[in-house]
Amino acid sequence: AQSVAQPEDQVNVAEGNPLTVKCTYSVSGNPYLFWYVQYPNRGLQFLLKYITGDNLVKGSYGFEAEFNKSQTSFHLKKPSALVSDSALYFCAVRGVYNFNKFYFGSGTKLNVKP
Amino acid sequence: DAGITQSPRHKVTETGTPVTLRCHQTENHRYMYWYRQDPGHGLRLIHYSYGVKDTDKGEVSDGYSVSRSKTEDFLLTLESATSSQTSVYFCAISEAGTTDTYEQYFGPGTRLTVT
Repeated sequence: AQSVAQPEDQVNVAEGNPLTVKCTYSVSGNPYLFWYVQYPNRGLQFLLKYITGDNLVKGSYGFEAEFNKSQTSFHLKKPSALVSDSALYFCAVRGVYNFNKFYFGSGTKLNVKP
Repeated sequence: DAGITQSPRHKVTETGTPVTLRCHQTENHRYMYWYRQDPGHGLRLIHYSYGVKDTDKGEVSDGYSVSRSKTEDFLLTLESATSSQTSVYFCAISEAGTTDTYEQYFGPGTRLTVT
């Protein structure tokens, strides 16, 4: 089976501070991991993905994610948060037996305060 | 949301009535998906399609059916709507991946309320 977990329902951070949104995965074999962002009343937007190679993946809007195999984690990070980063963030993993199915976490609401 | 539209965007219906949601893409992507989004559950896959007339079930498919007669259109039908199907429904598309892994692109969503 494959799944991802987002342990925090909400993350609060002050503008200008670094932010981290956590994701852990459970996959047999090599994981293929994704981060998406959802702004209010919008669909999800792709931010970045990890397939193989460098453990630090860079994505859109200054976001990056660090893949850690020993901790089975794929945390989303940004060095300096903006108020406009406030949104709902989802981690997802590709299916192991069906490469074109994806499994999403429950989402983390990021609040960036001025 | 470019290249993917969903209709209607909002719908209120009564328990027991049939409802059809439409997803239309202009990207010519092979794969299309229907998800529902509920608080605390994230996105859960209802059905997906890997080509015209080729569909398969997701993790929450009971009470839903789908059809894909053209590459660009993927329909989701609630045969007899129930209050538990009140949700926000998202369509997504992606390229086919075997050796490569492609991300999904999502439509703007349909908010369905079953009274």
